[in-house]
Amino acid sequence: GAGVSQSPRYKVAKRGQDVALRCDPISGHVSLFWYQQALGQGPEFLTYFQNEAQLDKSGLPSDRFFAERPEGSVSTLKIQRTQQEDSAVYLCASSFRRTGADYGYTFGSGTRLTVV
Amino acid sequence: GNSVTQMEGPVTLSEEAFLTINCTYTATGYPSLFWYVQYPGEGLQLLLKATKADDKGSNKGFEATYRKETTSFHLEKGSVQVSDSAVYFCALTGYGNKLVFGAGTILRVKS
Repeated sequence: GAGVSQSPRYKVAKRGQDVALRCDPISGHVSLFWYQQALGQGPEFLTYFQNEAQLDKSGLPSDRFFAERPEGSVSTLKIQRTQQEDSAVYLCASSFRRTGADYGYTFGSGTRLTVV
Repeated sequence: GNSVTQMEGPVTLSEEAFLTINCTYTATGYPSLFWYVQYPGEGLQLLLKATKADDKGSNKGFEATYRKETTSFHLEKGSVQVSDSAVYFCALTGYGNKLVFGAGTILRVKS
């Protein structure tokens, strides 16, 4: 596609519910990132994939958070047993370069998760 | 670790006013520096970047110069427009392949 697509755009979950957030990166982009953006804050790194390999998951806040990219394209961020503190915008970004940070990323519009 | 501090907002200006949004950083090594912009209802967009000391990034009338001696990357624009109203994020490359962002500065431009 022309850009990074994320779905759903909005998600309301009851506390304790599991959620799955989807990211479709730009076709051919090697690198894929997930960031969490709390209200009024800047994005914070969660995890990074190069193709299907998850090379860095140091930012995942707990073992309730899990991300996968099994075929090196679409990625899913799963949050189990959601808590109120998980409420945030989850941003996906991709880059065609293996070392994309110096060149910037293309971000999706994000999924706004509200846990009630 | 690497970190970014940017001026708190909101910044409210009249159309055609001069804009400065301050950004300072702490980093080991020589990171690349970025400004991203987030318009209402949209995703983050790369506005400009600089990859080494004294480089000037520029785009859409915005400029920022990588100042190693003052560890700063201030964003400037000579004459803002209402359409520039957005949230602006300063960022730098952190350890590995990730970006480290500041908290963001809201800019409101009034006609």
